[in-house]
Amino acid sequence: NAGVTQTPKFRILKIGQSMTLQCAQDMNHNYMYWYRQDPGMGLKLIYYSVGAGITDKGEVPNGYNVSRSTTEDFPLRLELAAPSQTSVYFCASSWGPDGNSPLHFGNGTRLTVT
Amino acid sequence: AQSVTQLDSQVPVFEEAPVELRCNYSSSVSVYLFWYVQYPNQGLQLLLKYLSGSTLVKGINGFEAEFNKSQTSFHLRKPSVHISDTAEYFCAVSNDYKLSFGAGTTVTVRA
Repeated sequence: NAGVTQTPKFRILKIGQSMTLQCAQDMNHNYMYWYRQDPGMGLKLIYYSVGAGITDKGEVPNGYNVSRSTTEDFPLRLELAAPSQTSVYFCASSWGPDGNSPLHFGNGTRLTVT
Repeated sequence: AQSVTQLDSQVPVFEEAPVELRCNYSSSVSVYLFWYVQYPNQGLQLLLKYLSGSTLVKGINGFEAEFNKSQTSFHLRKPSVHISDTAEYFCAVSNDYKLSFGAGTTVTVRA
């Protein structure tokens, strides 16, 4: 049982490049989330999904896009990378609304934009 | 909307000493409260949660937290820490689909 798998672990992008951060879970969870973690700021929610075909914005969605074509996968797309997007990105999933079901996190993707 | 304040950004502590990590929240409605732990180069793991009932919540690895509604606090404690407790700890609050996380407290345990 792999849980939540994120790829790649590390990536360096030049300003203006695009990339997709991959996230897959094998727990049949309906709810999936993307967070970014910056030093001293905790985690900020970028986008979330309550099921296949349904996505919604979180606190900091600008500069990102997501899709949820299957229950298992929830990729995060950066179209025009900017230095402000340098961060550690975490994908998470849960069986229900995160009010009463714990989040299962991946190990993160460390992204540097130069 | 809710918010979470972790009052200490860094907590150094000696092995076998007790530790307390402070968390205050603000919300106009009832909330669920969580503590997550992040070990170096890993994602977050749930340490414990408060949904309702007893205000003293026990979690994994000997941690416990106490919910105090009048003080809107949810402080985390461990009576005797180990080197392996070195990690970053996050308090989080939710009353809807979305969690709000505190800024985190880094605990460094020294021998």
